[in-house]
Amino acid sequence: ETGVTQSPTHLIKTRGQQVTLRCSSQSGHNTVSWYQQALGQGPQFIFQYYREEENGRGNFPPRFSGLQFPNYSSELNVNALELDDSALYLCASSPSGGVQETQYFGPGTRLLVL
Amino acid sequence: EDKVVQSPLSLVVHEGDTVTLNCSYEVTNFRSLLWYKQEKKAPTFLFMLTSSGIEKKSGRLSSILDKKELFSILNITATQTGDSAVYLCAVELYNNNDMRFGAGTRLTVKP
Repeated sequence: ETGVTQSPTHLIKTRGQQVTLRCSSQSGHNTVSWYQQALGQGPQFIFQYYREEENGRGNFPPRFSGLQFPNYSSELNVNALELDDSALYLCASSPSGGVQETQYFGPGTRLLVL
Repeated sequence: EDKVVQSPLSLVVHEGDTVTLNCSYEVTNFRSLLWYKQEKKAPTFLFMLTSSGIEKKSGRLSSILDKKELFSILNITATQTGDSAVYLCAVELYNNNDMRFGAGTRLTVKP
């Protein structure tokens, strides 16, 4: 088990609502990446934060936003939820900017939008 | 458009069999290719490959990359029921720190 934690584990929201998901990175890691994994698909890169700055973004609309705090934990915010936002949201931390083989994934937050 | 394609999508074998999982890719700005095992939720790292022709091994698992033909394979020998999982292939890109994942291969190992 990695030192990456995510909360909550499960969440149910309705269309149009807003949601905040949280991720605590592994000790010593200053980079956090977020992914969306729809059922039966591979994870899709949302964005990455390195030392509190966005350090890369995938093909997601602006209603997906994030933050990284001085302790390197991170939040993913999604506004105006749509049914297609239902997915497993994974965060992963690594010890420096960019992906390395030492990237560790958290257990994910499963979001259901009704 | 950058894409990663895995095959087969699913595979059922019996304990002791050897399996080969395939990953092909078409991307710009290739940096590395990674394999992950996903049992329930969190993918766990298996291998990272950056150079062609150099096999990486860990126990019964091995992987190799062909950067000319743009593919990688993951081999698992003497499979065990604990190998049952979804195996994900991902390509790391230089630009944007993006990682493109394939849809995964669901491996089921029967006793």
